Amino acid sequence: SQQGEEDPQALSIQEGENATMNCSYKTSINNLQWYRQNSGRGLVHLILIRSNEREKHSGRLRVTLDTSKKSSSLLITASRAADTASYFCATVYYNQGGKLIFGQGTELSVKP
Amino acid sequence: DAMVIQNPRYQVTQFGKPVTLSCSQTLNHNVMYWYQQKSSQAPKLLFHYYDKDFNNEADTPDNFQSRRPNTSFCFLDIRSPGLGDAAMYLCATSRDGGTAEAFFGQGTRLTVV
Repeated sequence: SQQGEEDPQALSIQEGENATMNCSYKTSINNLQWYRQNSGRGLVHLILIRSNEREKHSGRLRVTLDTSKKSSSLLITASRAADTASYFCATVYYNQGGKLIFGQGTELSVKP
Repeated sequence: DAMVIQNPRYQVTQFGKPVTLSCSQTLNHNVMYWYQQKSSQAPKLLFHYYDKDFNNEADTPDNFQSRRPNTSFCFLDIRSPGLGDAAMYLCATSRDGGTAEAFFGQGTRLTVV
């Protein structure tokens, strides 16, 4: 299976703290994407990072990519209760017709 | 404005009775995906289209079929639903062969009775 792994599987923090989630994948990628999913809802795209990029920012989100370690991390700074959701990384591999494969996800709980 | 629309949002079907889920997009994206997501699990890719090219995942059961009659529409057919097929089914689209972000519909929650 090409499905990547994420850790931790669950993370519980207080409002205002930072949350870090990690993702690993298996083979060379075209890009890696992070998504958020609120309970029972569709997925919302957060950030896309290409294989030739090392870091991207969007508001309170920071994503890093280490292709030598085949890993990525998502940092949410100054978390809010509204950030409570499941977070997934997803990878697009080269030469596979745009196939998008999701990692196992991290369930984040931010307590007020 | 909804860009990827899935119908219906909720579908109840009988065990063994064929069911079709639909997805439409207004984005003119060349890639369309179907995922199955069970409770507390990651979305699992069933198949995807790159333009008209159909790509089936090796572990997708034969019970699941798909059609893409044109760029805008894609259908998921479950020929003989079993209790294990109860799940959320998510449709998504992407442009440029997956080199850009994917847009997801709200999903169809399938119940098998």
